[in-house]
Parts: sequence; C-alpha cells; structure tokens
Amino acid sequence: AQSVTQLGSHVSVSEGALVLLRCNYSSSVPPYLFWYVQYPNQGLQLLLKYTSAATLVKGINGFEAEFKKSETSFHLTKPSAHMSDAAEYFCAVSSGGSYIPTFGRGTSLIVHP
Amino acid sequence: DAGVIQSPRHEVTEMGQEVTLRCKPISGHDYLFWYRQTMMRGLELLIYFNNNVPIDDSGMPEDRFSAKMPNASFSTLKIQPSEPRDSAVYFCASSPRGSPYNEQFFGPGTRLTVL
Repeated sequence: AQSVTQLGSHVSVSEGALVLLRCNYSSSVPPYLFWYVQYPNQGLQLLLKYTSAATLVKGINGFEAEFKKSETSFHLTKPSAHMSDAAEYFCAVSSGGSYIPTFGRGTSLIVHP
Repeated sequence: DAGVIQSPRHEVTEMGQEVTLRCKPISGHDYLFWYRQTMMRGLELLIYFNNNVPIDDSGMPEDRFSAKMPNASFSTLKIQPSEPRDSAVYFCASSPRGSPYNEQFFGPGTRLTVL
C-alpha cells in the first residue's frame, strides 16, 4: 500500500522568501515520487520526479526536492519565491510495480508582494 | 503534440440530465485516467484504462457513472442522471507505456455544474 501526506493545506510566503512544501510518503517498497503544480483553471503538470537516481532532484522554475529515506520525506523547496509561483502543489507516490500514483491532498502556495 | 484534449471546458446542466465528458489522450500513450477534483475530497481517481481496456473502476462513485474507451484516441465519462453533488472539475490524463516512474499528462479539465 502507498500513501502521501502533505502537511499544511495552505502555505503563505513573501516574494523573495524561501518556499518549503512538505510531503511524507508511506510505501512498503522503494517509491517513485513526484511533484505536480496546478495553476488556476489548468490541469496538473509535472514539476519534478525522483526515480532512484540522485536524491536531490531539480525541476522546472527553480524548484528542487530531496528524497530522504530515513524520514520518508520528499519536501519541495525554492530559494526565492516569485509571484508567479502561486498555485496548488501536489505530491504523488508510485510504488510496488503499480503504475498508478497516489496523490496528496495538495498545498496551496500563496505569495505576498 | 497538442496534449490531452478535453471537451467541453465548462458544462452547466440541470439535475437529472445526462452529461457526457470527452477526452482525447496524447497519441501513443497506453494509459488513460479519469479524475474528479473537489474542494472537499481533493483529487480522486475514478477509473483508468490500459490499451483501451478498463482496469480499475473502483473509484467510480456509483452506477450513475460510466466510462468507455472505444479506441486509443477517445474516451468518454458519462453521468446519468446527474445530481448537484456531481459538480466538480473532471480531469482526463494519459501516460506512456507502463512504468512506475512515468509522469501523467493532464488535460485542462471540464468544470461541471449541476443545478
């Protein structure tokens, strides 16, 4: 079985501040992990993915995430928030030979000027 | 490639009416997924197909919902009869040949409002 928990349904930061969105997963086998972003009135699009290569994964728009097996975490970070980063962010896990990812509930990122 | 195409983008209907949502996946993708997104329940997987065959429909809320994929380039999700609680954004997504680390490509969604 696999599951994802995203801590905090809303995260608010000031423009230029560090962005940290938290994701913890549960999986009985090595997982594949994803972060997706959803801008208003659009579908989800892939930000980055972890596929058991480097534990630090770099994605689009300056985002990166680090896989920490001991903490079962895959937190998303960006050093400096931009107004255009305001969106909904989803963490997802795929494991055990299943090709079907399980999505978290999402975290809404709010960026203040 | 045009990406995943969904139609209509918006649908407003009255309770009891039949609703049909349409999806064209990315050419060459073997998997097709239907999701529903609401504020209360988040993103829910309704059903998915592999090579046009329904594999898991355990997420379909009830018998009023049905989905078909008559060929590799077209799928429908039908609600009959529709109810106000079906109001949501419905997404179609497709994925390449089966692999646990393949990303899903989402369409823009259909916003359904049932009055």
